[in-house]
Amino acid sequence: NAGVTQTPKFQVLKTGQSMTLQCAQDMNHEYMSWYRQDPGMGLRLIHYSVGAGITDQGEVPNGYNVSRSTTEDFPLRLLSAAPSQTSVYFCASSFLSGRATDTQYFGPGTRLTVL
Amino acid sequence: AQKITQTQPGMFVQEKEAVTLDCTYDTSDPSYGLFWYKQPSSGEMIFLIYQGSYDQQNATEGRYSLNFQKARKSANLVISASQLGDSAMYFCAMSSPIYNFNKFYFGSGTKLNVKP
Repeated sequence: NAGVTQTPKFQVLKTGQSMTLQCAQDMNHEYMSWYRQDPGMGLRLIHYSVGAGITDQGEVPNGYNVSRSTTEDFPLRLLSAAPSQTSVYFCASSFLSGRATDTQYFGPGTRLTVL
Repeated sequence: AQKITQTQPGMFVQEKEAVTLDCTYDTSDPSYGLFWYKQPSSGEMIFLIYQGSYDQQNATEGRYSLNFQKARKSANLVISASQLGDSAMYFCAMSSPIYNFNKFYFGSGTKLNVKP
C-alpha cells in the first residue's frame, strides 16, 4: 500500500492564481480530509468528506473548494490564491467504523507559498 | 467546546532519559479518542499511539506510553529511553464523534530536542 499520497510536494503561486492540490489513498478509507498547518498552531480542518459525492466544511473553508468523485481521490482547489494561504497542507484519511479510536493517516504534505 | 492544550512549546531531554509531553483536553462527549503524532523535520505526520476514553489501561507502543488520567482530562505522552531520532514536533489530538465519523482537534505541538 502506498497509503496517502499528495502532489505536489512544493508549490509557489502568485496572488490570484489557481491550482489544485492532489490527494489519493489506497486503503479504501471512506473518510478523507484536508488540514492546513501554520507556524505555532496545530492542524486546522479545511474540508472533509465521508464518502464519494459527500463533502462538508471544516473550521477554515474560505478560499478552498473540494469534490469527491471517487473513494480514492480528494483534491483541494484554490480558486484565487492569497498570501494568507501560504501554509503546509496535509491530506488525511481513515475508516468510518464509528469508533472514537479510528486513526487518521496523513499524507506527506504540500508546502505552498503564495507571493 | 472541544479543545486540546499543549503547554510546552519546547523541551530538552538527555539521550537515554525518559521524557513526558503534556496534553490536556476538554470535551463533554463521553466517547472520544486521544492520539499522539510525531512530525520530524522532514514534515510528515506519523501516528504514534492512541487511547480510547473507555479504555481502562494506559496504551503502550514500544517506547511510547500514554498516561491517561480521565478525571484530570490529561493524556500525556511518555517516551522512555530517548533517542536522537526522537527529536521532532509532537502533536496531541482528540477525536470527537459526529454522526458516523470523528472530527479531530489538534494541539499546538511540543518541539522535543534530544541532546547527545
